Parts: sequence; C-alpha cells; structure tokens
Amino acid sequence: AAGVIQSPRHLIKEKRETATLKCYPIPRHDTVYWYQQGPGQDPQFLISFYEKMQSDKGSIPDRFSAQQFSDYHSELNMSSLELGDSALYFCASSNQRSSYNSPLHFGNGTRLTVT
Amino acid sequence: LAKTTQPISMDSYEGQEVNITCSHNNIATNDYITWYQQFPSQGPRFIIQGYKTKVTNEVASLFIPADRKSSTLSLPRVSLSDTAVYYCLVGSRDDKIIFGKGTRLHILP
Repeated sequence: AAGVIQSPRHLIKEKRETATLKCYPIPRHDTVYWYQQGPGQDPQFLISFYEKMQSDKGSIPDRFSAQQFSDYHSELNMSSLELGDSALYFCASSNQRSSYNSPLHFGNGTRLTVT
Repeated sequence: LAKTTQPISMDSYEGQEVNITCSHNNIATNDYITWYQQFPSQGPRFIIQGYKTKVTNEVASLFIPADRKSSTLSLPRVSLSDTAVYYCLVGSRDDKIIFGKGTRLHILP
C-alpha cells in the first residue's frame, strides 16, 4: 500500500541558509500534518492543512512557512536556519480533518542537520 | 485538550505481557484515546484507538474503565522488536494532534 513519502531523507545546510522539505500524502488523503522531533525529544506539532487551507498551527517559528498544493502535497519552507533547527521533520497524512477518530499515517521523515 | 500522563520508561522481558497505563483525568465526552508506537528515526505508527471498554486488534488491546480517566495499552508476549516509545493521545475530532511525553519501553532478552 502507498505510504507517505518525504523528501529528501537527509539534508545538510549551513546556518542562515534556507531549506525546503516536501511531503506527498497517501492518495486521497486531504489532511497533512508537520512535526519536528529533536534528538531525544517527543514530536512537536508545527502546522496542519486540510483541503489546501491551514487548519491548525502549533509551535512553528515565524522563519518557517508551509503550504499544501492542489495535488495535496505539502512543503515546509525554513529560512534563516539555526543550529537548533537540526531535527527530524515528520509529515503525516489523514483522510479526515482531525484524526482523533482516524489514525495518522507518518512518513519516514527528513533529517535536517544545520552546521 | 486532555492532558495525559504516562510512565517515562518501563523494562520487561521477552515473552511477558506488558501493560502501559495512561492517565487522562480531564478527558472530555467527545475524546478518543489513541496509542502510537515509535522506533528510533522512524515516524510514529498507529497501534490502536478506543472510546470505551475494550478494543483488541492483532497487535494490542486497549482497556478503558467506565470513568475513562485512564487507559491501559496491553502488549501480549512482547519481543525485542517491541522496544520503542509508546505515546498515548487523547482528543476529539476538532483538536490538534499533540504528542506528549511517551513511555520508553525496553524489552530485555
């Protein structure tokens, strides 16, 4: 079965550079979530989209922005990168706006390293 | 959004049954209880979800008492591959999906 695809799997950037992470949800899933997980930390909710509109916002820095496109894929854009942005970034998709009554399907993440 | 409390870590041995209890004293009427499993460097994976009483699937069972202020994830006959972090999430369809502090389960041979 098709899963959530994230690209790239690994990304190395220098401080103050920009990065773009991509997420391709499971077909027919219209909801995308982004999470950040630092080393030894639990996943932190960043932002979510439903039907190409932002639906919820978490602890996403102002330096980050995201959008969901007409084909439902999503991109997380990160500017003025800082060392503390080094983390695993997960994308998850669902076929419902809020998934407390439907499971989230996670991708394998993008590991971002900022040097 | 109901706050959840789980043990920080647990150890068990292969072949044992493991029960992880999650407290959610302020659970709301519309809230569901969902458990995820996460292996290192992988995304969380849905295990089981319930609203009340007992739910069982091929991986685990979820026990929810009548007052719903807690829930217990039961993993039968664990193996080394069950070593992971387990997250209990509580919320309704209009809530953000927030992960709290999970339980780090370590299975010993």
